[in-house]
Amino acid sequence: ETGVTQSPTHLIKTRGQQVTLRCSSQSGHNTVSWYQQALGQGPQFIFQYYREEENGRGNFPPRFSGLQFPNYSSELNVNALELDDSALYLCASSLAGPGRLVQYFGPGTRLTVT
Amino acid sequence: QQQVKQSPQSLIVQKGGISIINCAYENTAFDYFPWYQQFPGKGPALLIAIRPDVSEKKEGRFTISFNKSAKQFSLHIMDSQPGDSATYFCAATIGNSGNTPLVFGKGTRLSVIA
Repeated sequence: ETGVTQSPTHLIKTRGQQVTLRCSSQSGHNTVSWYQQALGQGPQFIFQYYREEENGRGNFPPRFSGLQFPNYSSELNVNALELDDSALYLCASSLAGPGRLVQYFGPGTRLTVT
Repeated sequence: QQQVKQSPQSLIVQKGGISIINCAYENTAFDYFPWYQQFPGKGPALLIAIRPDVSEKKEGRFTISFNKSAKQFSLHIMDSQPGDSATYFCAATIGNSGNTPLVFGKGTRLSVIA
């Protein structure tokens, strides 16, 4: 186990609704990255938070937003849900610094949009 | 534009055989290439990784071969076991500090049959 936890495990939402997913990073890690993994695909980078600031963003619209808290836990918020948002959402924690390359993934939150 | 191309999409190997998964990348700035293993219902877990200053890295039954000029790298699983049945993802990143996002291939579903 990586020590990265995510909640909830799975949830079902209706198109147009809003959702918040949560991630607790591994102890001592100051960076959290969020990825979207559609069925049968590799994870796609959404954005990253480093010391409570957004530190990079992939090709996702502004309705995907996030937060990082002083304890380095993080939230992913998605507004105006669309059917294509159905996916496994993964967070990964890491410790920024030279040579510190490993990202540790949580088990993910399975989101289904109907 | 897919920056990391992975093949095959699926692979069936006899117990004790060698599993080979290939990846090719486009961005010459990539300098850290991890492989992740993902079991159903779990997040990806780091298996083995390589930097481009070496052509091969071995950890137990797992070996990465790296060809910088061809911009290709591959994962070899020796003496494949049923417990190795999982989805494998290659990834690439610019490995300065652990703050750069991972770019994943689409994954290979490996089935090891007895």
